[in-house]
Amino acid sequence: AQSVTQLDSHVSVSEGTPVLLRCNYSSSYSPSLFWYVQHPNKGLQLLLKYTSAATLVKGINGFEAEFKKSETSFHLTKPSAHMSDAAEYFCVVSDPTLFSGNTGKLIFGQGTTLQVKP
Amino acid sequence: DAGVTQSPTHLIKTRGQQVTLRCSPKSGHDTVSWYQQALGQGPQFIFQYYEEEERQRGNFPDRFSGHQFPNYSSELNVNALLLGDSALYLCASSLGGEAFFGQGTRLTVV
Repeated sequence: AQSVTQLDSHVSVSEGTPVLLRCNYSSSYSPSLFWYVQHPNKGLQLLLKYTSAATLVKGINGFEAEFKKSETSFHLTKPSAHMSDAAEYFCVVSDPTLFSGNTGKLIFGQGTTLQVKP
Repeated sequence: DAGVTQSPTHLIKTRGQQVTLRCSPKSGHDTVSWYQQALGQGPQFIFQYYEEEERQRGNFPDRFSGHQFPNYSSELNVNALLLGDSALYLCASSLGGEAFFGQGTRLTVV
């Protein structure tokens, strides 16, 4: 069965410093992995996705993540935090579907709250 | 493109009542999935609809049911509401790739 574990429920950084949000996954298959962001009172927005191509994935707003199969990790990083990055971040694995061409169910981690201090 | 739209945005129901939530997918998307997000938790998959049929289902009781219409829009119905059903309900649409989420319906059961 697929699952994800976000290792930190809350991360606090100062503006301009690096961001690291940690995620470990468990999957019986070659996984598809995602990071989503959720700002207050807004829907989920896809930051980036890994689908067995390059192991270093670049996303929107300067975020990137590295897929490490040996460590079963998919940590999210950003070199310099902005105040607008403060939000809830979810690491997600896709449960593969029997029906090709469609996105199967998404399995979310518990979320990491990113606080950015001025 | 309006993206994924959900209605209503908020509603309050009494225990034991029934509720219907609605979702219009992104233009051209034929697959709709529903998720429940309790406060402080990650979203949990309820079910997915494709070609008007339930294709996958998560670990939710039969009180949760859905429907997809020929225009791909979808409804989520919850019967015999419990206090524990209070949550943000998210709809996601997709077409063979990335899932796009709506802003959700905040359901409060009192």
